[in-house]
Formats: sequence, C-alpha cells, structure tokens
Amino acid sequence: KAGVTQTPRYLIKTRGQQVTLSCSPISGHRSVSWYQQTPGQGLQFLFEYFSETQRNKGNFPGRFSGRQFSNSRSEMNVSTLELGDSALYLCASSWGPGGEQFFGPGTRLTVL
Amino acid sequence: DAKTTQPTSMDCAEGRAANLPCNHSTISGNEYVYWYRQIHSQGPQYIIHGLKNNETNEMASLIITEDRKSSTLILPHATLRDTAVYYCIVRAAGGTSYGKLTFGQGTILTVHP
Repeated sequence: KAGVTQTPRYLIKTRGQQVTLSCSPISGHRSVSWYQQTPGQGLQFLFEYFSETQRNKGNFPGRFSGRQFSNSRSEMNVSTLELGDSALYLCASSWGPGGEQFFGPGTRLTVL
Repeated sequence: DAKTTQPTSMDCAEGRAANLPCNHSTISGNEYVYWYRQIHSQGPQYIIHGLKNNETNEMASLIITEDRKSSTLILPHATLRDTAVYYCIVRAAGGTSYGKLTFGQGTILTVHP
C-alpha cells in the first residue's frame, strides 16, 4: 500500500506570495491532518479534515487555510507569505479522527 | 491534552535495549499514550500506543505504570537506524481534540556503535 504523498517536496517563494501544498492520503484513509515544523516551535498542529469537513484547527492566523476533496486528498494554502512561514509542512492521514496518523515526507517551504 | 515530560537526550549502545521514559502525571482516564519518532528531516513515524495495558508490536514495547502517570518505550535491540527524536504524546480518545496530536520537544536518542 502506498504511503502518504506530498507535493511538491521543496518550494521557494518570496514574501507576499501565496502557496498551495498538496497531500494524497493512504488509500482508504478519510482523515487528513496538517502540521508545521520549525526549529523554534517544533511540530505544531494546523488543522484536521474528515469527510471534507474541518474538524479541528490549531492556533494559526487566517492566512493558513485548507480543504479536503471527496477523494480525501487535501490541500493547504498560505497567503501573503512571511519569512516566518519557512518550515517543513507535514501531512498525516488516518482511517478516521481517532486512528493512528501516518505522516508523509513533508514539503520544505522556504520564504525569501 | 495532558502535558508530557521527556528527557532531552539519551544515549544507547547498539544491540542494547533503549528505555525511553515519559511522564504524564495529569493524564485523564480516557487519554491514550502514543509514541512517534522522527528521523532527521523525515515525517514522524508511528511506533505504538496504549491506554493502560502494556503493549508490544514488531517495533517496540510500551510499559504504562498502573497509575498511568508515566510510561516507558522499550526498543529491545537498538540499531544505528533507531537514532531519532522520540515523541511521547497523550491523546484524547474523544471530544473536539480527538484527531489532534500535540508534540512536545521529544527525546533525542543517539545509538552508538
């Protein structure tokens, strides 16, 4: 069974731009969560989707948004990028909200 | 979710058992203990979880004290590839935080030849 895939793996943007990251969950998994990892703050929860509905949201500004499609694939969007948004963005999928989360390799975003 | 406390770093000799402790003294009755690890620059990897009974799988064993205030992850025969950051997470079994994992700083385990 294929694992969680994230695209792109690496991305360089400049301040003020926006970015969209994509996550394809493990086949059969219906829950997708997003996390941001930085050296200073560690791994922080962004949001969680289940059956195309956002169930949970972390403490991030409204510039961070996401959505989930009917095939369980998910995207997250960051608008008006700031230097501090440079991070590894991780997606995790599970069969449902209570299941073990399996992480993808992440997207490394650099904001210049 | 309850907070967890882990040592910042630990060393282990290759081939020996690695015992990683975690304190979660404020855990409530319906919260699970989860362990993940993250090898440098990769996504976290699920290891094991438990509620109150000891658990074992092909990767590790999880020992939870009777009062559930602490637990120990055991890697029975550590290899160099087990060098990673290990996260102990207490996770709600229901409610609005159900799907959320709250990561702490974890324990950096270094396995030496």
